[in-house]
Amino acid sequence: EAGVTQFPSHSVIEKGQTVTLRCDPISGHDNLYWYRRVMGKEIKFLLHFVKESKQDESGMPNNRFLAERTGGTYSTLKVQPAELEDSGVYFCASSRREILGTGELFFGEGSRLTVL
Amino acid sequence: KNQVEQSPQSLIILEGKNCTLQCNYTVSPFSNLRWYKQDTGRGPVSLTIMTFSENTKSNGRYTATLDADTKQSSLHITASQLSDSASYICVVSGANDYKLSFGAGTTVTVRA
Repeated sequence: EAGVTQFPSHSVIEKGQTVTLRCDPISGHDNLYWYRRVMGKEIKFLLHFVKESKQDESGMPNNRFLAERTGGTYSTLKVQPAELEDSGVYFCASSRREILGTGELFFGEGSRLTVL
Repeated sequence: KNQVEQSPQSLIILEGKNCTLQCNYTVSPFSNLRWYKQDTGRGPVSLTIMTFSENTKSNGRYTATLDADTKQSSLHITASQLSDSASYICVVSGANDYKLSFGAGTTVTVRA
């Protein structure tokens, strides 16, 4: 069974440009999450999809970030326009259960974003 | 202030030795606590998950403890191996369990 896959693994862009990150969750996992880790800080929640619906997007930092999950399969996270403080590692995770409880949460390897 | 604090920030140990990592949290209400291992350039991988009622849980050479009264957890690595070199992250789940509160991690370096 393939794990959570993310693309690209690393993206370097200039301030003001646009970047789109993609996440393919584990097949059959309706729940998809985006997290990010900025330099020197802990990982923080961005948003949660249940299938194609945004269950909770309270962690999205501002309206320059747009996440979509059309068709309830893969998800994209677009940053437009990118700012220096957006640099960090963006993790995607997926789970089978909506109420996570003690269920497993599977992480991708992350997409490292560097904004110059 | 982060609701999950880990110590030490980093440590170096010799292969074959044991070490213990600490995690203190203030997340309330508490649902469960997880320890993840994150190799450089990889995503976090779950080691253990403990609920309120569990005091100890092992996964091979990794043993996690939880004291929900004092809101403390530890991760003990026994007979360390070079492959144990990684960042170990304590993650606490509260009322909105998918949001998760992450510690900043402890970086462990095992040397031959």
